[in-house]
Amino acid sequence: DTEVTQTPKHLVMGMTNKKSLKCEQHMGHRAMYWYKQKAKKPPELMFVYSYEKLSINESVPSRFSPECPNSSLLNLHLHALQPEDSALYLCASSLVGADTQYFGPGTRLTVL
Amino acid sequence: QQQVKQSPQSLIVQKGGISIINCAYENTAFDYFPWYQQFPGKGPALLIAIRPDVSEKKEGRFTISFNKSAKQFSLHIMDSQPGDSATYFCAASPGVSGGSNYKLTFGKGTLLTVNP
Repeated sequence: DTEVTQTPKHLVMGMTNKKSLKCEQHMGHRAMYWYKQKAKKPPELMFVYSYEKLSINESVPSRFSPECPNSSLLNLHLHALQPEDSALYLCASSLVGADTQYFGPGTRLTVL
Repeated sequence: QQQVKQSPQSLIVQKGGISIINCAYENTAFDYFPWYQQFPGKGPALLIAIRPDVSEKKEGRFTISFNKSAKQFSLHIMDSQPGDSATYFCAASPGVSGGSNYKLTFGKGTLLTVNP
């Protein structure tokens, strides 16, 4: 199984809502990542977890709150988002100490 | 110094032709150079990757050429097909030896259109 899955595929939320994005992989990868991708731009790294501990936070606003409850799951909790946060949110995973990152299909987020 | 410069921004090729996308970097600590293919509404998929110890790597119709002294690398797609139409991103990272293997620096992307 070489797949990273993400749910939901699409999410529309208001600025006062609280929602969560979910990412799952069963490749035994212990490094997991959240990226944000705006239209016609490359992915931008947001967070990195290594062995279920947050190792990198790229100065992301606190309205984005990541969580890694176990080695297969990665969540991104969203609260009080702004319309400019609308984007494709990508999850990726890799072996710790390995270079190759595998991306999921993404969640298309629209903030109204 | 962390940038990866990618060109062209867009490329139109006829079916059966060769597509060439170029990338240049400045950070000599970069040690791993992947190419990702992304279709609209999908996540990036790893296409092929190279390390500086080889000058060329080929997988099927896809070839990476790497010039360490010039700090440039390129993707060649032979016999381009309409199904290859996608956005291609080059990327670079310091790799495991650099201690920051997590941080991929992406180029800005190339939108490839292959006409039938």
